[in-house]
Amino acid sequence: EAGVAQSPRYKIIEKRQSVAFWCNPISGHATLYWYQQILGQGPKLLIQFQNNGVVDDSQLPKDRFSAERLKGVDSTLKIQPAKLEDSAVYLCASSFVRTGNYGYTFGSGTRLTVV
Amino acid sequence: GQQLNQSPQSMFIQEGEDVSMNCTSSSIFNTWLWYKQEPGEGPVLLIALYKAGELTSNGRLTAQFGITRKDSFLNISASIPSDVGIYFCAGRNSGGSNYKLTFGKGTLLTVNP
Repeated sequence: EAGVAQSPRYKIIEKRQSVAFWCNPISGHATLYWYQQILGQGPKLLIQFQNNGVVDDSQLPKDRFSAERLKGVDSTLKIQPAKLEDSAVYLCASSFVRTGNYGYTFGSGTRLTVV
Repeated sequence: GQQLNQSPQSMFIQEGEDVSMNCTSSSIFNTWLWYKQEPGEGPVLLIALYKAGELTSNGRLTAQFGITRKDSFLNISASIPSDVGIYFCAGRNSGGSNYKLTFGKGTLLTVNP
């Protein structure tokens, strides 16, 4: 079974620029999550999708972050404009059922550096 | 929001030693999960716990769901060099419309051969 695919693996941008990350979940997984992991901390949920609908985006900084999951499969997370504090690893995860009873499967992440 | 306190922050041990780490919460969770993260990779699920008091093993790993539902611990027996990584606990509630995970800050494990 193919895992959760993310691209790019690394990205370096200047502050105030925009950036986009892409995620393709495991086939058949209806629930997709984007997490932000700042160095030295655990992942923090940004947004959760169930198919193509948003279930939870309470911790998404909506003034600069946006995400979509058209057609309920792959997803894009965008930051515009980026700030220095956005430097982090952005992890995408998916689960088969909404409750994620078997835990999530995470991708390898995109490491963003804002300079 | 919910806070998870994970300890210790880091451990440096000799190969063959046993390891114990724990996680405490300010509130109740219905599920506890333990993940391992290696450099440049996403977290990988090690053990999932669904009932208070549950004790579950996965090879040399054993985890328990505390009876108060506010804590969990992970033990690793007879550590080996490939156990190196960051171990995260995560708690989840099933209330409301989502089932998001709250992660601890992680325990960095270093194993000296």
